[in-house]
Amino acid sequence: DGGITQSPKYLFRKEGQNVTLSCEQNLNHDAMYWYRQDPGQGLRLIYYSQIVNDFQKGDIAEGYSVSREKKESFPLTVTSAQKNPTAFYLCASSSRLAGGPKTQYFGPGTRLLVL
Amino acid sequence: AQKITQTQPGMFVQEKEAVTLDCTYDTSDPSYGLFWYKQPSSGEMIFLIYQGSYDQQNATEGRYSLNFQKARKSANLVISASQLGDSAMYFCAMSLSNTGNQFYFGTGTSLTVIP
Repeated sequence: DGGITQSPKYLFRKEGQNVTLSCEQNLNHDAMYWYRQDPGQGLRLIYYSQIVNDFQKGDIAEGYSVSREKKESFPLTVTSAQKNPTAFYLCASSSRLAGGPKTQYFGPGTRLLVL
Repeated sequence: AQKITQTQPGMFVQEKEAVTLDCTYDTSDPSYGLFWYKQPSSGEMIFLIYQGSYDQQNATEGRYSLNFQKARKSANLVISASQLGDSAMYFCAMSLSNTGNQFYFGTGTSLTVIP
């Protein structure tokens, strides 16, 4: 079935450690996104990519990095520079094809906890 | 400036009754899209319904309808015949054509359906 997968479901990070969250999609979508959600809050955009080998910072990019080497994959690295990384991370993708809404479809999310 | 406002942190509705979740938006862009998503306790964001700024009729998808009042900049979600499975967080979102399909999310409304 087509969809977006994120792994792991839960991730623990030690102080000073970089961790990478995986996001894979087989929907043939060009655009992919990473969001952060804190308890009781909406989603805030971290990074997005409209096409392979290109990505743009969102509203809260500091302390995060991404790569887009393949259309299907958009991994997010939470670096040690991100001082408050505990949150729920959601990956999404959308199609740039003409016609119809450019709806974003989401993965199941990764919950990151700092030890 | 906040682009999406959801003023109802929590709502209760009796099973089988209808409920309206409020959403107002702010943009000067003439071309935009409005979306509603459902987030159950599992965390995944589920797309419910879409309304384009140029659409003449209100969008409907099964028990979901979007009450789009362009002059008031409101895009309220109406859920008819509420079911226990409708209990979840609901997020309103907007995409702007001039920002590369970047989405702006509200802070959400928690809906509880009472048996």
